[in-house]
Amino acid sequence: AQTVTQSQPEMSVQEAETVTLSCTYDTSESDYYLFWYKQPPSRQMILVIRQEAYKQQNATENRFSVNFQKAAKSFSLKISDSQLGDAAMYFCALNRDDKIIFGKGTRLHILP
Amino acid sequence: EAQVTQNPRYLITVTGKKLTVTCSQNMNHEYMSWYRQDPGLGLRQIYYSMNVEVTDKGDVPEGYKVSRKEKRNFPLILESPSPNQTSLYFCASSPVGGLAYVNEQFFGPGTRLTVL
Repeated sequence: AQTVTQSQPEMSVQEAETVTLSCTYDTSESDYYLFWYKQPPSRQMILVIRQEAYKQQNATENRFSVNFQKAAKSFSLKISDSQLGDAAMYFCALNRDDKIIFGKGTRLHILP
Repeated sequence: EAQVTQNPRYLITVTGKKLTVTCSQNMNHEYMSWYRQDPGLGLRQIYYSMNVEVTDKGDVPEGYKVSRKEKRNFPLILESPSPNQTSLYFCASSPVGGLAYVNEQFFGPGTRLTVL
């Protein structure tokens, strides 16, 4: 069975600092996608970043980057230069074929 | 504007009264899915559809029904709602293709359902 684990229910970071959210997953497949979604207080789910498992290069989107370790089944999200608008719930998700599995989320607080 | 719409956004109902939450997307996506979000549990997949007339159970399908008669619409039906179905519900759509088939999910705004 596929699983996604986010071991940090909550985290806090000082504005302008860097924070890393962890995600581990379990799948027997070799081809899959991994995602990080952001859910701000508005509740809207927003894609932050995507990683294809067959790509060795870590994905980057502006201040957001991932550390994808396929052998270790780890997919952490690094947010650089944290901003107040980054405060949200962050979900890690695993796609393979027609199934999508989400982690339980990490709530990120930004301290001014 | 490309979007996924859900209606209603908020609903309070009573146990046993049948209800339908509508979901529509204008992006011609093949894949559509319903999730429920509960505190501490993240998002859990209820049902999904790879295309018209094709639906499959997700991880928590009990008490729910879906249909996919048209590509753009994917309603969620609660035949006899119960209090444990009180939750935040999201509809999502996605293009299909590539090695892992289902790509980025585009989410609707969510429906807050309370069953008394």
